[in-house]
Amino acid sequence: QKEVEQNSGPLSVPEGAIASLNCTYSDRGSQSFFWYRQYSGKSPELIMSIYSNGDKEDGRFTAQLNKASQYVSLLIRDSQPSDSATYLCAVSANFGNEKLTFGTGTRLTIIP
Amino acid sequence: NAGVTQTPKFRILKIGQSMTLQCTQDMNHNYMYWYRQDPGMGLKLIYYSVGAGITDKGEVPNGYNVSRSTTEDFPLRLELAAPSQTSVYFCASWTANSPLHFGNGTRLTVT
Repeated sequence: QKEVEQNSGPLSVPEGAIASLNCTYSDRGSQSFFWYRQYSGKSPELIMSIYSNGDKEDGRFTAQLNKASQYVSLLIRDSQPSDSATYLCAVSANFGNEKLTFGTGTRLTIIP
Repeated sequence: NAGVTQTPKFRILKIGQSMTLQCTQDMNHNYMYWYRQDPGMGLKLIYYSVGAGITDKGEVPNGYNVSRSTTEDFPLRLELAAPSQTSVYFCASWTANSPLHFGNGTRLTVT
């Protein structure tokens, strides 16, 4: 069974610091990797996608992928209180959103 | 575009009752999905569809049925509700080169 593992947290980070979220996956054939943010009581929203080894930056967010180690991470720079949410890692065997396998999520709290 | 619309937002069922969760999208997406999310957990795929007339099981299909008679609609049917089906249900749709679009969810309680 394909698995995606995340530390459930909660992870507390001071405002302005870097938040680091980690995810490991079991299916070595996985091709697409996503980070979703989910506010309490809301639906998930996509914040980053990454498909090849290395780093991908978008504003304050950086996704890092290491397929050899089956590891994907999300860095949030200059953390803001509005970043407080649960972050879900999701993985697909295909190049796209087909049949995503989600982790259980990491709850992040930014402390003002 | 309204995106993905789910109804109802909330529902309480008694054990053994049945209901249909409605999902419709107006983006002409071929792919549609039903996920459930238990408290403090990630999303688990129940059923998905790659186009009208085609459906397939996901990770946790037991106790559910789906149909896809049109591109727009993908209802999820619970025939004999059980407490284990208490969850938040998310419908989503997708097409190539776009993110997964989620509905706002249906919060279901079975007592």
